[in-house]
Amino acid sequence: DQQVKQNSPSLSVQEGRISILNCDYTNSMFDYFLWYKKYPAEGPTFLISISSIKDKNEDGRFTVFLNKSAKHLSLHIVPSQPGDSAVYFCAASGGGADGLTFGKGTHLIIQP
Amino acid sequence: IAGITQAPTSQILAAGRRMTLRCTQDMRHNAMYWYRQDLGLGLRLIHYSNTAGTTGKGEVPDGYSVSRANTDDFPLTLASAVPSQTSVYFCASSIVPGNQPQHFGDGTRLSIL
Repeated sequence: DQQVKQNSPSLSVQEGRISILNCDYTNSMFDYFLWYKKYPAEGPTFLISISSIKDKNEDGRFTVFLNKSAKHLSLHIVPSQPGDSAVYFCAASGGGADGLTFGKGTHLIIQP
Repeated sequence: IAGITQAPTSQILAAGRRMTLRCTQDMRHNAMYWYRQDLGLGLRLIHYSNTAGTTGKGEVPDGYSVSRANTDDFPLTLASAVPSQTSVYFCASSIVPGNQPQHFGDGTRLSIL
């Protein structure tokens, strides 16, 4: 049973517009959430995180929103740039399990 | 700044052979992790180590073993490789265990024939 779900395998956005990537989780014990970006043949790169005591965290063009009651988080990228084209993974931790639980990823394509 | 170094970058291995994937970090992080990534799936935790001298099992530990003799190194061993272990393997580390960002190496692509 998947505890972290990214239901959109891919997303295409025009350059300069906002990209919104979504993630849902089922384990109510998760209390820390992260977004990673991954290019082909490279390891995942940490982007931004949020603790369950917050509902928003912002870092430059990247903002993560957390809705605990809906068990949903989203990553907003604005404005989107060509270099943002990559696979984005949502991950979660907490609930007594060591390590991170990852979603399957969303392939973001920024079109010129 | 090296961060996490994984070796080899890629390897083709005959089934039944023994293989050790190497992982070294120079950030003095206490916690280290091994994940595998399969096509269409996210990363899944194999084993972890919260500090030197301790290890623990993750979601998919069967067929793998690890050791943590010192802070910097966290090798992953496949005692007798099987084709289902064909995957990309990522090593990661974090300053401390728990709710911290993990930093990843660039992976080892392993094919078992």
